[in-house]
Amino acid sequence: EAQVTQNPRYLITVTGKKLTVTCSQNMNHEYMSWYRQDPGLGLRQIYYSMNVEVTDKGDVPEGYKVSRKEKRNFPLILESPSPNQTSLYFCASTSVGGGSPLHFGNGTRLTVT
Amino acid sequence: AQSVSQHNHHVILSEAASLELGCNYSYGGTVNLFWYVQYPGQHLQLLLKYFSGDPLVKGIKGFEAEFIKSKFSFNLRKPSVQWSDTAEYFCAVNVFTNDMRFGAGTRLTVKP
Repeated sequence: EAQVTQNPRYLITVTGKKLTVTCSQNMNHEYMSWYRQDPGLGLRQIYYSMNVEVTDKGDVPEGYKVSRKEKRNFPLILESPSPNQTSLYFCASTSVGGGSPLHFGNGTRLTVT
Repeated sequence: AQSVSQHNHHVILSEAASLELGCNYSYGGTVNLFWYVQYPGQHLQLLLKYFSGDPLVKGIKGFEAEFIKSKFSFNLRKPSVQWSDTAEYFCAVNVFTNDMRFGAGTRLTVKP
């Protein structure tokens, strides 16, 4: 089954404790992206990647890191999480070419206390 | 600045009422337009998309959207909503690349 898999689904952590949210897709998509969803703000892009070893900042990259060592994986790293990073995070992927819709993972609800 | 605007933050309807959700974008030139739906507790799923051709696009579950280029709009419609349509709806735009820009979303509540 074609899918984007995120883990974990829920995560509660404390300020400053490094964490990684994993994202994996099995559709051989070149493009992968991370979004955060906050009430009233919709989805805002954090980072995206056009292919292996090619990543770039989205609209809200501060406090986040990503890597794309393999085509299928695109982990999101919070080196020192802060409470303002409490949010619902989605990973998405698609094939390169502007007309293709995004395929989303099931989301990770992160709470930073 | 390039943006996507959804006019309604929260819409409440009774079953069988008609639905229209507004979406306007500020990009010039050729755009690809999408509506996504997010059911409670789930991820976003594609409802419909417009790339070119007939400006009236039909999607899943009886939804349709009309692209009006002169108004920079892509409004979502459904003639008769059901309780199961309760969800959040996002309009999205991309231009040439995969960079998808989303509106803030409209929460739809359908009362049985």
